[in-house]
Amino acid sequence: NAGVTQTPKFQVLKTGQSMTLQCAQDMNHNSMYWYRQDPGMGLRLIYYSASEGTTDKGEVPNGYNVSRLNKREFSLRLESAAPSQTSVYFCASSRTGNTEAFFGQGTRLTVV
Amino acid sequence: GQQLNQSPQSMFIQEGEDVSMNCTSSSIFNTWLWYKQDPGEGPVLLIALYKAGELTSNGRLTAQFGITRKDSFLNISASIPSDVGIYFCAGLPPDSNYQLIWGAGTKLIIKP
Repeated sequence: NAGVTQTPKFQVLKTGQSMTLQCAQDMNHNSMYWYRQDPGMGLRLIYYSASEGTTDKGEVPNGYNVSRLNKREFSLRLESAAPSQTSVYFCASSRTGNTEAFFGQGTRLTVV
Repeated sequence: GQQLNQSPQSMFIQEGEDVSMNCTSSSIFNTWLWYKQDPGEGPVLLIALYKAGELTSNGRLTAQFGITRKDSFLNISASIPSDVGIYFCAGLPPDSNYQLIWGAGTKLIIKP
């Protein structure tokens, strides 16, 4: 039972570099999410995809883009990384929007 | 925007003690979720609450959806070492099916 799988687990970027965080779920969930977690602040929603083919901004979308590649996969792209984007990024999925979400193990990103 | 106030921020307890934490808001929520996060892992759902007044248990854990719909609490009875971690509450506002609002977390530490 893989659940939600994120890659990579760790990444160090230089300011201005770009990268894509990958996420895949094998639970046939309709909805997927990208969060960031900073110390003492809980989780903040970056983008979500209510269903395949749709994406919407969350609370903190600036500096990020997403792609819902298919029902299983939802990627997060940083076009030009900034130190303020140093964080732990979590992907999550849920059957529908108002049901409980299952989380991946996270990607620890450092931008120097 | 909407906020959740989660308290306490941290707790130092003896093994075997009962634990209580809560989340409050000035706004109402349709759903309350309680998650636990272990170091280096993503949050894992403990209990989901969908109706005002609902009281739900999961082993030694009990959570309640406040009757005003503006608060929720989580109790852990007879704590054990593996209860250590960060506990998060999350609420789903009436006007959103996808954007959970998260508390900042309660860090539970068991004194040796």
